[in-house]
Parts: sequence; structure tokens; C-alpha cells
Amino acid sequence: NAGVTQTPKFRVLKTGQSMTLLCAQDMNHEYMYWYRQDPGMGLRLIHYSVGEGTTAKGEVPDGYNVSRLKKQNFLLGLESAAPSQTSVYFCASSSQGGRTDTQYFGPGTRLTVL
Amino acid sequence: AQSVTQLDSQVPVFEEAPVELRCNYSSSVSVYLFWYVQYPNQGLQLLLKYLSGSTLVKGINGFEAEFNKSQTSFHLRKPSVHISDTAEYFCAVSDRDNYGQNFVFGPGTRLSVLP
Repeated sequence: NAGVTQTPKFRVLKTGQSMTLLCAQDMNHEYMYWYRQDPGMGLRLIHYSVGEGTTAKGEVPDGYNVSRLKKQNFLLGLESAAPSQTSVYFCASSSQGGRTDTQYFGPGTRLTVL
Repeated sequence: AQSVTQLDSQVPVFEEAPVELRCNYSSSVSVYLFWYVQYPNQGLQLLLKYLSGSTLVKGINGFEAEFNKSQTSFHLRKPSVHISDTAEYFCAVSDRDNYGQNFVFGPGTRLSVLP
């Protein structure tokens, strides 16, 4: 049982390049989330999904797109990377998405945009 | 909107000493409170959570936290820390049943346990 995995672990992009981050979970969770973590700011929600085929915007969605074609996978895309998107990205999943639900996090992807 | 304050960005402490990491949240009718820990180069994992009932909550690895409604606080404590407790600790609050946007995380407190 791997839990939540993220690919890649590290990436360096040039401004204007595109990339996709992959998140996979094997816990059969309905809800999945993408966060970014910046120093002194905690985690901020980018996009989330309440089930296969659904996506919704979080607190900081601009410059990102997501897709959830399969229940176990949640993809985060950057169409035209900017230096402001340099951050650590975390994927998480939860069983039911309610107020009391525990979120399970992946190990993170460290992205640098030059 | 809900907000979470963690007053100490860094807390150095010697091994076997007690520690308290502070968390305050903005007032709300009802909240659920969480502490997550992030070990170096890893994702976050749940330490403990307060949902209802006893205001003293016990978590993994000997940590506990106390919910204080009047002071809108949820401070994390451990009576004797180990080197392995070196990590970043995040307080989080949930106050809306709006799927996917439940949690507001604090900025984190980096705990460094010194030998």
C-alpha cells in the first residue's frame, strides 16, 4: 500500500515552459487536492476534486489546470510556467472530504522556475 | 474568513526538554482543529485532531494538544522531546462544510531538537 505518490520529485523549468505533475493514490479515496507550500505561508489549496471527472478551484488556481480522468490519479498542469510558481507542490487525498476528514499527503514535488 | 496563527516560526529545544508549539485561530461558531507534522523531505501526516468532547487530545509520538475555546487556541505539547521530533508542525482549522475547501493551514513552526 503506497498511499499517495507524486511524480516527479524535483523539476527545473524555464519561464514559459509547460509541465504536468502526477499524483496517484491507492486508497480508493474520492477526494484529491493540490496544494502549494511557500515559506512562511503554510499550504494553500490550488485545485481539488470531489470524484472522478470533477475538478474545482481552490484558493490560488490562476496559472494551473487539473484533470481527474481516473479516480486514482489527479494531474496538475502548468501551461506557461512563471518564476512565481516556484514552490513545493503537495498532493493529498481523503476518503470523504468532510470537515473532520484526515488528509493523506504525498512526499511533494519541488519545482523551480528560472 | 478563517485564519490560523502560529506565533513561533522556529523553536529550538534541547533533547528531553518539554516543548509547546502555539496555535491560535480566528473565532468561529464551531471549528475542528488539527496538527500535522512534516518530517524533512516528506509530506505532511496527521498528529492529532480535535472534533468534539474532551478538550485534551492525545496524538501519536507522545504529543497532545489542548483546545481552549475562550482563548481560541490549540497549543501542541510534548513533555520530553527526542531528536527524531525535529520537523515542521502545522496547525490547521476546518470551519466550513464546503467540500474541498475545508482546511486553512497555519504558516508552520519549525521544531529543532538539539542534542
